Amino acid sequence: DQQVKQNSPSLSVQEGRISILNCDYTNSMFDYFLWYKKYPAEGPTFLISISSIKDKNEDGRFTVFLNKSAKHLSLHIVPSQPGDSAVYFCAASDRSSGAGSYQLTFGKGTKLSVIP
Amino acid sequence: EAQVTQNPRYLITVTGKKLTVTCSQNMNHEYMSWYRQDPGLGLRQIYYSMNVEVTDKGDVPEGYKVSRKEKRNFPLILESPSPNQTSLYFCASSPLAGGRRQIRSNEQFFGPGTRLTVL
Repeated sequence: DQQVKQNSPSLSVQEGRISILNCDYTNSMFDYFLWYKKYPAEGPTFLISISSIKDKNEDGRFTVFLNKSAKHLSLHIVPSQPGDSAVYFCAASDRSSGAGSYQLTFGKGTKLSVIP
Repeated sequence: EAQVTQNPRYLITVTGKKLTVTCSQNMNHEYMSWYRQDPGLGLRQIYYSMNVEVTDKGDVPEGYKVSRKEKRNFPLILESPSPNQTSLYFCASSPLAGGRRQIRSNEQFFGPGTRLTVL
């Protein structure tokens, strides 16, 4: 059973416009969410995160929104740049789960293409 | 430079020939983990380790072994590789420290990946 879902395998956006990547989760115990970016031939790198006590976290061009009632989070990139073209993974963790509290459950990823 | 390193980066082997993929981190992290990435399946955890001599299974542990004899190293061992283990493998590490769980970031730092092909 997939606990973290990224239902859009790919997304194309024009340079300068907003990119919105979506993520849904089913486990109500998840209390921390992260976004990772992955370029080809490199490992994933941490981008931005949000705790369940917040509904928004912003870092420069990147903003993550969390809607706990809908079990939904989204990553907004404004303005989008060609260098943002990468695969984006959503991840979640349940920090109350003892030995499992450091585990990350990943979505399948969304490939973002920013067109110049 | 703080980093997670993996070796080799690319490997082509044949069915049944034992192999080891090494992973090393220089950040003194307690937590280390192995993932595999497959098309359409995202990142799936193979094994993880909370500290030296403490390892546990992830979601897809079949056909793999790990060991954690030193804090910095976490090798992934395929005793008898099969073609369905052809994949892209990532090692990751994370500190366990960070105060109350409510403020812990749970960020994991990933290595560059090892692309394994089993013929």
